[in-house]
Amino acid sequence: DAGVTQSPTHLIKTRGQQVTLRCSPKSGHDTVSWYQQALGQGPQFIFQYYEEEERQRGNFPDRFSGHQFPNYSSELNVNALLLGDSALYLCASSGLLGAGGETQYFGPGTRLLVL
Amino acid sequence: AQSVTQLGSHVSVSEGALVLLRCNYSSSVPPYLFWYVQYPNQGLQLLLKYTSAATLVKGINGFEAEFKKSETSFHLTKPSAHMSDAAEYFCAVTYTSGTYKNIFGTGTRLKVLA
Repeated sequence: DAGVTQSPTHLIKTRGQQVTLRCSPKSGHDTVSWYQQALGQGPQFIFQYYEEEERQRGNFPDRFSGHQFPNYSSELNVNALLLGDSALYLCASSGLLGAGGETQYFGPGTRLLVL
Repeated sequence: AQSVTQLGSHVSVSEGALVLLRCNYSSSVPPYLFWYVQYPNQGLQLLLKYTSAATLVKGINGFEAEFKKSETSFHLTKPSAHMSDAAEYFCAVTYTSGTYKNIFGTGTRLKVLA
């Protein structure tokens, strides 16, 4: 059983560009959450998708958007990249949305560097 | 504002010694509490979680944590450290009353000395 997979593993972009990161959840999971982990910091919650809709959102600007597909995979899009967007982006999947106590399974992350 | 505090960004212990990593949360309503471990260049792996059942929670790799409501704490312990325990540990809290919030601490890097 494949766990959570993310692509690409590494990415280099320049300021102002747009980026799309991809995530495939663990088999049987229908909820996907995205996190940003800056160097030396803990992950920060960006948003969570369930049934192809954004259900919960953290304190991130509208430049950060996402999508969930019928097969439960998900994309994170970031527009107008800033230097401060350089971070490890983690995807996590879980069963049943938003109960709070569900176990999240994390992917290895995509490391984004903005120059 | 709701928050999670991990005391000590770096902790060093000798192999075989007790591991104690501290986590305090701010809330009058008991949240869901988690401990994760992160090895270099990897994602996070769940060690254990508290979801309002038993206050002493046992996890993988010999780790356990005790939920203490009066102290708003959820410290992680392991009786005997192993070299393979060297990693970064994150405490996380999920609040579901009112606005959903999922908050991670800033992490504690554990170093195990031979």
